[in-house]
Amino acid sequence: NAGVTQTPKFQVLKTGQSMTLQCAQDMNHEYMSWYRQDPGMGLRLIHYSVGAGITDQGEVPNGYNVSRSTTEDFPLRLLSAAPSQTSVYFCASSTGDRGVNVLTFGAGSRLTVL
Amino acid sequence: AQSVAQPEDQVNVAEGNPLTVKCTYSVSGNPYLFWYVQYPNRGLQFLLKYITGDNLVKGSYGFEAEFNKSQTSFHLKKPSALVSDSALYFCAVSDRASGGSYIPTFGRGTSLIVHP
Repeated sequence: NAGVTQTPKFQVLKTGQSMTLQCAQDMNHEYMSWYRQDPGMGLRLIHYSVGAGITDQGEVPNGYNVSRSTTEDFPLRLLSAAPSQTSVYFCASSTGDRGVNVLTFGAGSRLTVL
Repeated sequence: AQSVAQPEDQVNVAEGNPLTVKCTYSVSGNPYLFWYVQYPNRGLQFLLKYITGDNLVKGSYGFEAEFNKSQTSFHLKKPSALVSDSALYFCAVSDRASGGSYIPTFGRGTSLIVHP
């Protein structure tokens, strides 16, 4: 029962560096998404995917790329890290039943950009 | 566009007292409504949902929520608070309407502090 697994849990980057946050789920969920959580801002959707090969932008997509080559994996790439990307990132998945979207979340990845 | 408001950043309650965490929503059609809880340094966990049917929804850990269509609210309640209920609570909504966004939108969260 692994659920949604995120790696790494913690990461410190310098401005301009790139990195990939990994997300994997073993529940055969069609829908996967990435959120960032900032104090006072709640959860904001970065990108999401409704199935392998299909991705779309959320509320705050700038500076991030995603791909969905398999049902299980949904990595989030930071192309050139900026201090404004310091945040806690959560990956979430669900069965994707239209609207009845009960999300299963990973434990989070805390990113600090210096 | 759909939106969720959680008007209180923090709710304080004494252990054993009833608690209410407020949530109001806006969608163009009929809503699916959710509550999630986040314990410190953890991911969010699903508590309960309203899809259709009874306006009073019961969920995990003794929590319940009441859907009020006229007031567009979905407040989270528990009859007797525990110190272990202290956490961050998020309300979320998605739109059932055809063409509506089924991607859930989250509120900003309410920190619940239960005092011994």
